[in-house]
Amino acid sequence: RKEVEQDPGPFNVPEGATVAFNCTYSNSASQSFFWYRQDCRKEPKLLMSVYSSGNEDGRFTAQLNRASQYISLLIRDSKLSDSATYLCVVNSPTSGTYKYIFGTGTRLKVLA
Amino acid sequence: EAGVTQFPSHSVIEKGQTVTLRCDPISGHDNLYWYRRVMGKEIKFLLHFVKESKQDESGMPNNRFLAERTGGTYSTLKVQPAELEDSGVYFCASSQSQGNTQYFGPGTRLTVL
Repeated sequence: RKEVEQDPGPFNVPEGATVAFNCTYSNSASQSFFWYRQDCRKEPKLLMSVYSSGNEDGRFTAQLNRASQYISLLIRDSKLSDSATYLCVVNSPTSGTYKYIFGTGTRLKVLA
Repeated sequence: EAGVTQFPSHSVIEKGQTVTLRCDPISGHDNLYWYRRVMGKEIKFLLHFVKESKQDESGMPNNRFLAERTGGTYSTLKVQPAELEDSGVYFCASSQSQGNTQYFGPGTRLTVL
């Protein structure tokens, strides 16, 4: 079983739709959580950090459920420019160092 | 402020050759990480430097891979000799301190023929 699991998609949605991505992680000692966005042949870029209290940045809302070891990302009013791969990333302490563990990514295509 | 830079952007080499990848982290970032994405798989951790010291190299595939960060500034990752399965995209990232957000470079796409 992978440490961070994501549905690879693709999710094909029309412009203006609301879409939700989920991610589960296996290491209960994980300390911090992120969603990164990766465009084709580009580097991952931080979209937002994820907190238990939930956090919102414009059309994007992220939520962490520590009890269920579950992370979500909600995108409202999808734009064509939101088309990308969304990476769930968990920062887990192992051997005294923090290590990013990546999910495989969820591919989103927003259609005109 | 300049971001993380990596050189070269692409490298095509033959099996058995040597390749050296370079990463320049964001100025002032003590923590430097190397990751790799092979085709069809998730991005995986290779190793972590704090300044010039290797903090964790548990992700290094085998002894054909050697990473250095002399002086605690830029880092190099050498693959010698390269094998076909080493093909992939090698990302470097840096952060101010452990646990902080990591910022990624554009990656080096390595193709071993």
